[in-house]
Amino acid sequence: EIVLTQSPGTLSLSPGERATLSCRASQSINNNYLAWYQQKPGQPPRLLIHGASSRATGIPDRFSGSGSGTDFTLTVSRLEPEDFAMYYCQHYGYSPLYTFGQGTKVEIK
Amino acid sequence: EVQLLESGGGLVQPGGSLRLSCAASGFTFSSYVMCWVRQAPGKGPECVSSITGDSIYTYYADSVKGRFTISRDNSKNTLFLEMNNLRVDDTAIYYCARRGSNYAFDYWGQGTLVSVSS
Repeated sequence: EIVLTQSPGTLSLSPGERATLSCRASQSINNNYLAWYQQKPGQPPRLLIHGASSRATGIPDRFSGSGSGTDFTLTVSRLEPEDFAMYYCQHYGYSPLYTFGQGTKVEIK
Repeated sequence: EVQLLESGGGLVQPGGSLRLSCAASGFTFSSYVMCWVRQAPGKGPECVSSITGDSIYTYYADSVKGRFTISRDNSKNTLFLEMNNLRVDDTAIYYCARRGSNYAFDYWGQGTLVSVSS
């Protein structure tokens, strides 16, 4: 069973700063099956990144994904006010078929 | 425009049953894997069940196996989740989500709340 561990649990930053979020898999995974989502209160998650590094349709280029094997990173180059939210990584695998991390909250410092 | 609209949530006692529906529009429904993703208060999402476009393959998380049944009616562009023997820890918002060809969930509904309490 693959477990995704996200860190830190909470990231306190100011608008304009760079955010670096980590997602670590308990075993090596296929990059093609790693995604990142943003979720704001009262809303469903929104797909940001798929295939570890490909931006979803309509996602600004300040969002970027990288990584391979067991270590993956979501970077927001310059935080905008609307970027303060929860972020989840997710993997498509075998058992369970779909796994989400526990999330990182990006809050205003 | 892709739209997913869930319905059927509500308050139910432990051991009770509910049937969720998700009406889809704006895309060729039968071509996509669909998933029910739930999110308990303060927790991360969990895909509890998915179904292929032709209904041949289904998936259930261990937490719901034997209690939940997923199905779809492609003629009506509708996804269903039959939930039996509900437990307190099934309390969550249940989202209908489309799985894209990139294996990620690219469209989500607004969700329907299921509360299991005595």
